[in-house]
Amino acid sequence: EVQLVESGGGLVQPGGSLRLSCAASGFTISANFMSWVRQSPGKGLEWVSTIYSGGATYYADSVKGRFTISRDNSKNKLYLQLSNVRAEDTAVYYCAGDAYYYDKWGQGTLVAVSS
Amino acid sequence: DIQMTQSPSTLSASVGDRVTITCRASQSVSSWLAWYQQKPGKAPKLLIYKASSLESGVPSRFSGSGSGTEFTLTITSLQPDDFATYYCQQYTSYSVTFGQGTKVESK
Repeated sequence: EVQLVESGGGLVQPGGSLRLSCAASGFTISANFMSWVRQSPGKGLEWVSTIYSGGATYYADSVKGRFTISRDNSKNKLYLQLSNVRAEDTAVYYCAGDAYYYDKWGQGTLVAVSS
Repeated sequence: DIQMTQSPSTLSASVGDRVTITCRASQSVSSWLAWYQQKPGKAPKLLIYKASSLESGVPSRFSGSGSGTEFTLTITSLQPDDFATYYCQQYTSYSVTFGQGTKVESK
């Protein structure tokens, strides 16, 4: 069974850092495109970042220079390092795959930025 | 970035109704369009990809059409499980964008 399970969310102060993880099972993340998508409370969906099978990475302008996507092929895990977070980064963060449209989603992990 | 605009934002309907949601792109996305269903507290679920291809396991009452800049999602006979929010998404490149969502609520 294909499954994505996120973890690592929580309360973080403005300017702080957090690392989100996404453990995949039932498929190999390195063979596919994997992305992070977020949803602010009561709002719509926003693409955050994508890592290609070849390792190329891409970011939304709103997070460029602050967030870093990566993966550990040996653990079949996807990561999103959040740095210098802002109040507007408060959202549920989903990992999703495995193409430009997303047929695989995790359950999401909530990141709350507040002092 | 390509902007996606859905209409209406909210739709009131009854079980058995035919429901149509429209999604317009600010520039052509060819057929690179997907539709998702999301229920409160849950992740989105893929319904349609490449504008009109039905994802495996999705009921046939869901259908998608369109190309270029105008697309529609149709539910031929609304079922109780279909009350949810629906999003379109263009995927012409890695920089995908979503519509703002259409909430289908009970009349």
